[in-house]
Amino acid sequence: GENVEQHPSTLSVQEGDSAVIKCTYSDSASNYFPWYKQELGKGPQLIIDIRSNVGEKKDQRIAVTLNKTAKHFSLHITETQPEDSAVYFCAASKSGANNLFFGTGTRLTVIP
Amino acid sequence: DGGITQSPKYLFRKEGQNVTLSCEQNLNHDAMYWYRQDPGQGLRLIYYSQIVNDFQKGDIAEGYSVSREKKESFPLTVTSAQKNPTAFYLCASGTGGMTGELFFGEGSRLTVL
Repeated sequence: GENVEQHPSTLSVQEGDSAVIKCTYSDSASNYFPWYKQELGKGPQLIIDIRSNVGEKKDQRIAVTLNKTAKHFSLHITETQPEDSAVYFCAASKSGANNLFFGTGTRLTVIP
Repeated sequence: DGGITQSPKYLFRKEGQNVTLSCEQNLNHDAMYWYRQDPGQGLRLIYYSQIVNDFQKGDIAEGYSVSREKKESFPLTVTSAQKNPTAFYLCASGTGGMTGELFFGEGSRLTVL
């Protein structure tokens, strides 16, 4: 099956700086890569996703890049704010939501 | 408000007892999912259901059971056969298929004493 590795496990940045979280996947057939944000005491929430026919996608301060050849994808958060502090999960799938494989999560702390 | 409701939020169980976690959604989604979250291990799929009266095992189904008698409801039973049941359980729903987005509840934390 698919194996998704995520790094780093924890990340601290100063407010206003950028944060980058990286994931690698093993199954070259995977074609859907979502990112979820989990705030304390809540369930994860989708923040951005990308499909394998696209190399980059941006939504305001958040962007995701995908390198299919190297089988890795990354989340970029610019101009970080304290409310960005949360646990972020990457995931990969070759058949949509029924077969999502999640990374182990990154705890991001934005220091005011 | 539309969303996913899980109950109870916290649950304590003695060893050898079965316990059922509730999950209700009013988003009119066909698909529902149960995930288990352990520290440092991310989310792992227990069971999912794409339609009423049908469900499929995920990666870690052993010791768990589910039912899907109504579109809105997908309860999870943690049986005494589950060797390490203490965990945080998340229910989700979605339109299924390749759309991908899951809508999660706020979770249920089960502790076995």
